[in-house]
Amino acid sequence: EDQVTQSPEALRLQEGESSSLNCSYTVSGLRGLFWYRQDPGKGPEFLFTLYSAGEEKEKERLKATLTKKESFLHITAPKPEDSATYLCAVQTKDNFNKFYFGSGTKLNVKP
Amino acid sequence: DSGVTQTPKHLITATGQRVTLRCSPRSGDLSVYWYQQSLDQGLQFLIQYYNGEERAKGNILERFSAQQFPDLHSELNLSSLELGDSALYFCASSSGTSVYEQYFGPGTRLTVT
Repeated sequence: EDQVTQSPEALRLQEGESSSLNCSYTVSGLRGLFWYRQDPGKGPEFLFTLYSAGEEKEKERLKATLTKKESFLHITAPKPEDSATYLCAVQTKDNFNKFYFGSGTKLNVKP
Repeated sequence: DSGVTQTPKHLITATGQRVTLRCSPRSGDLSVYWYQQSLDQGLQFLIQYYNGEERAKGNILERFSAQQFPDLHSELNLSSLELGDSALYFCASSSGTSVYEQYFGPGTRLTVT
């Protein structure tokens, strides 16, 4: 069964303390992996798409990487405004139109 | 602002009733996705339409149905509502052709009492 697992469930960081969020997946064939940011009560906001192992994407303090079994979202020198829930989703080769979301990592960055 | 609009923002209704949620995709996007997000279950994919045709189905209950109209807006119909249907319902859109990143609307919060 296709599955997406994110860890940790929650992460508390001090401002400036870098860390990484993990998204591991077991799918029959990966077509794409997506990262989103979600603020409370709002819709997820698209961050990155990764398609193949070894690929990396960067945006401000965030960098996403992909291996054959997992993806990492690295947060460098986070600020309080980075506090949000980060979701990953996988798209399989079986059906490009179906997406499996992980349950998210809730990040809290304290000043 | 993602460019995806959803109405209404909030909906409170009683068990057994039927409601319709509406979504307008970003200009130029042909694909519409519907998701349910409840506290204990995360974001669950329900159904996807591309240019008026159903293309993928997830964990959508038989009491739920959706359609996409010629002007590309979509509606999600929920009937015989139960307390457990209380959740945030999100619509997302994408171009649907080789580019699949989704842009989400602000959601409709459904409360069933």
